Amino acid sequence: DADVTQTPRNRITKTGKRIMLECSQTKGHDRMYWYRQDPGLGLRLIYYSFDVKDINKGEISDGYSVSRQAQAKFSLSLESAIPNQTALYFCATSATGGMADTQYFGPGTRLTVL
Amino acid sequence: EDQVTQSPEALRLQEGESSSLNCSYTVSGLRGLFWYRQDPGKGPEFLFTLYSAGEEKEKERLKATLTKKESFLHITAPKPEDSATYLCAASEAGATNKLIFGTGTLLAVQP
Repeated sequence: DADVTQTPRNRITKTGKRIMLECSQTKGHDRMYWYRQDPGLGLRLIYYSFDVKDINKGEISDGYSVSRQAQAKFSLSLESAIPNQTALYFCATSATGGMADTQYFGPGTRLTVL
Repeated sequence: EDQVTQSPEALRLQEGESSSLNCSYTVSGLRGLFWYRQDPGKGPEFLFTLYSAGEEKEKERLKATLTKKESFLHITAPKPEDSATYLCAASEAGATNKLIFGTGTLLAVQP
């Protein structure tokens, strides 16, 4: 079974709709992240959370919000979707401590906003 | 500004033809340099973490090396199943484990 799961895997929605992408992990990691990936731009950090009570903005948080419901669950919401939010979205997790924490990624959600 | 640049953008090799992918970084104090493999439609799969200049790590046909300014991913005698996009990312010392990603190198290995 996958350690990091994302639902849905594919989603097509219309401009103005509110949608939620969900991430769950069984790795026991405290830290969770949301990225988006666009062709030619690489992976960019949207939000990250180091524990249930800690939420931080990444480099491109405008238009997004997150919720850390439990250690194992981290959701990303688009309050009013717009076409330029069409992208691949990835959730990642990492443990705490060590010299540099390796991030482990989920399978991704392909989001299309029409 | 912190930046990670990968080259080439795309590379086509014949099976068995060894080559190297480059990742140059400008980060204020490197905490870690990461290599990932990404297959189409899938999430990045962790390959290596390098922490200090001179460090090397190997896995099957892949070897990653690190200098103070760049990292190389050497692919020895590649096979078609090595075809993928290879991503490089850097983590800054003192920062909160945020990774700065390059845009990747798309590798195609032809039989």
